[in-house]
Amino acid sequence: DGGITQSPKYLFRKEGQNVTLSCEQNLNHDAMYWYRQDPGQGLRLIYYSQIVNDFQKGDIAEGYSVSREKKESFPLTVTSAQKNPTAFYLCASSTRPTGTGNSPLHFGNGTRLTVT
Amino acid sequence: AQSVTQPDIHITVSEGASLELRCNYSYGATPYLFWYVQSPGQGLQLLLKYFSGDTLVQGIKGFEAEFKRSQSSFNLRKPSVHWSDAAEYFCAVASPGSARQLTFGSGTQLTVLP
Repeated sequence: DGGITQSPKYLFRKEGQNVTLSCEQNLNHDAMYWYRQDPGQGLRLIYYSQIVNDFQKGDIAEGYSVSREKKESFPLTVTSAQKNPTAFYLCASSTRPTGTGNSPLHFGNGTRLTVT
Repeated sequence: AQSVTQPDIHITVSEGASLELRCNYSYGATPYLFWYVQSPGQGLQLLLKYFSGDTLVQGIKGFEAEFKRSQSSFNLRKPSVHWSDAAEYFCAVASPGSARQLTFGSGTQLTVLP
């Protein structure tokens, strides 16, 4: 079955360490996205990529970095510069950017990152 | 800039009762509108979407939503709630023609009483 795989489901890190969250999709989708979810705040866009080797900052990109070397993969690195990294991180993909047509988001099951 | 407001943080209904979750958006034209549902510790699942045409859209799991341009609303409804509907519900808006992704509301947590 096609879908989006995020790993690991739970991740624990010490403050000051960089950590990379994995996101892989086998849906053959062009566009991929990273969201951060905090209680009571909905989802906030961190980065998005419309095509391989290209990505754009979202609303809260500071302290995060991404790469898009393969169509299937869009890893997110949470750097030590992120002031409050503990959160639930969701990866998503769509056939095309949603604003351009009938292309809703498909979500992975998320990674819960805890930094102490 | 577009924005989405879900005025109800938490709603409690009895099983079998009807449900309406409110969503208001701010956008200059007609946006693309979506409702997603999230079970605890999981990703989001698309319930339904509105792009154009008929303002009453049907979704999965017996949900429907009505787009009302005059009220800038896209409320989600279900005539009879099941215990399995307990989850968090998110309304979202996308700008037609924009490469940016969705703007989400802050969510409504639904509790279903037996």
